[in-house]
Amino acid sequence: AQSVTQLDSHVSVSEGTPVLLRCNYSSSYSPSLFWYVQHPNKGLQLLLKYTSAATLVKGINGFEAEFKKSETSFHLTKPSAHMSDAAEYFCVVSGGYGGSQGNLIFGKGTKLSVKP
Amino acid sequence: KAGVTQTPRYLIKTRGQQVTLSCSPISGHRSVSWYQQTPGQGLQFLFEYFSETQRNKGNFPGRFSGRQFSNSRSEMNVSTLELGDSALYLCASSRAENTEAFFGQGTRLTVV
Repeated sequence: AQSVTQLDSHVSVSEGTPVLLRCNYSSSYSPSLFWYVQHPNKGLQLLLKYTSAATLVKGINGFEAEFKKSETSFHLTKPSAHMSDAAEYFCVVSGGYGGSQGNLIFGKGTKLSVKP
Repeated sequence: KAGVTQTPRYLIKTRGQQVTLSCSPISGHRSVSWYQQTPGQGLQFLFEYFSETQRNKGNFPGRFSGRQFSNSRSEMNVSTLELGDSALYLCASSRAENTEAFFGQGTRLTVV
């Protein structure tokens, strides 16, 4: 069965410093992995996705994530945090084969706070 | 291009009642999925419909049901509401397999 574990429920950084949100996954086959962001009172937005192509995936708004099979990790990073990055971030694995996004399994989420 | 539209945005119901939520996908999208978001359980998959057929189902009781119409619009129904059904219900649509899922803003259901 597929699952993801987000290692931090809350991360706080200062504006301009790097962001690291950690995620480990468990999958019985080659997984499709995603990061979504949810701003308050807004829907979920896809930041980036990994579907067995390049292991370093670049997303929107300067975010990127690296798929590490040996560590079963898919951590999200950004070199320099912006105040507008404050939101909740979800690491997600596809519940189906081949990267289908019709059945997504979400982690518990990491709330990112950005201090001025 | 219009996004995924969910109606109503907010709903208050009494225990024991039933409720129907609606989701209009992005034009051309044939897959619609439903998720429940609560503070305790987080985001959980309810079911997925593709071309009017339920393709996947999450681990929810039979009180939760859904359907999809020929124009890809989808509804989900919850019967005999319980206090624990209070949640944000999110709908997502995608064009087909392996394509990005776009989420609506959700329907906030409160059961009193």
